[in-house]
Amino acid sequence: GAGVSQSPRYKVAKRGQDVALRCDPISGHVSLFWYQQALGQGPEFLTYFQNEAQLDKSGLPSDRFFAERPEGSVSTLKIQRTQQEDSAVYLCASRARPYSVKPQHFGDGTRLSIL
Amino acid sequence: AQSVSQHNHHVILSEAASLELGCNYSYGGTVNLFWYVQYPGQHLQLLLKYFSGDPLVKGIKGFEAEFIKSKFSFNLRKPSVQWSDTAEYFCAVNAEYGNKLVFGAGTILRVKS
Repeated sequence: GAGVSQSPRYKVAKRGQDVALRCDPISGHVSLFWYQQALGQGPEFLTYFQNEAQLDKSGLPSDRFFAERPEGSVSTLKIQRTQQEDSAVYLCASRARPYSVKPQHFGDGTRLSIL
Repeated sequence: AQSVSQHNHHVILSEAASLELGCNYSYGGTVNLFWYVQYPGQHLQLLLKYFSGDPLVKGIKGFEAEFIKSKFSFNLRKPSVQWSDTAEYFCAVNAEYGNKLVFGAGTILRVKS
């Protein structure tokens, strides 16, 4: 597709449920990023993939957060046993190549609300 | 660790007024700097970026930013704003060719027509 696609756009879950958020990056983009944006804040880095390899997961807030990109294209961010503080917009971004001047392109995000 | 500070969280201007949004970062090494814009209901879009060379960079829609290394600043400017510039603006930094972006908290700009 022309841009980064994320689904669902909105997700409501009860506390304790598991959720899965999907990201379709721009075709051929090697780098994929996940960010978390809390209300009134800027996006905060969660994790980074280069192809299928997860090279940086330093931003994942707890072991309840897990991300994968098994075939180097689509990525899934999974949150287990959700808590209210997980409520945020989750942004996915892709970039053509790592370590380059190419910018990151962002999707519309998934707005997650935990009740 | 890198951090970014945006000076104003809310700015209200009348059409044709001049705009300057402040951004300061903390990082001792070579940096890449970005301004992203998020229009209501849309995704983050790149407004402009600085990697090297001329510290005055021009972006889309008449925006420009000046990198002042000695002040660790990358302020965004536009001489005359339009109602359509109403949006949230984010300054971001990463280490040279690094991967993750560090964002400021954002500035919400409202332009009154």
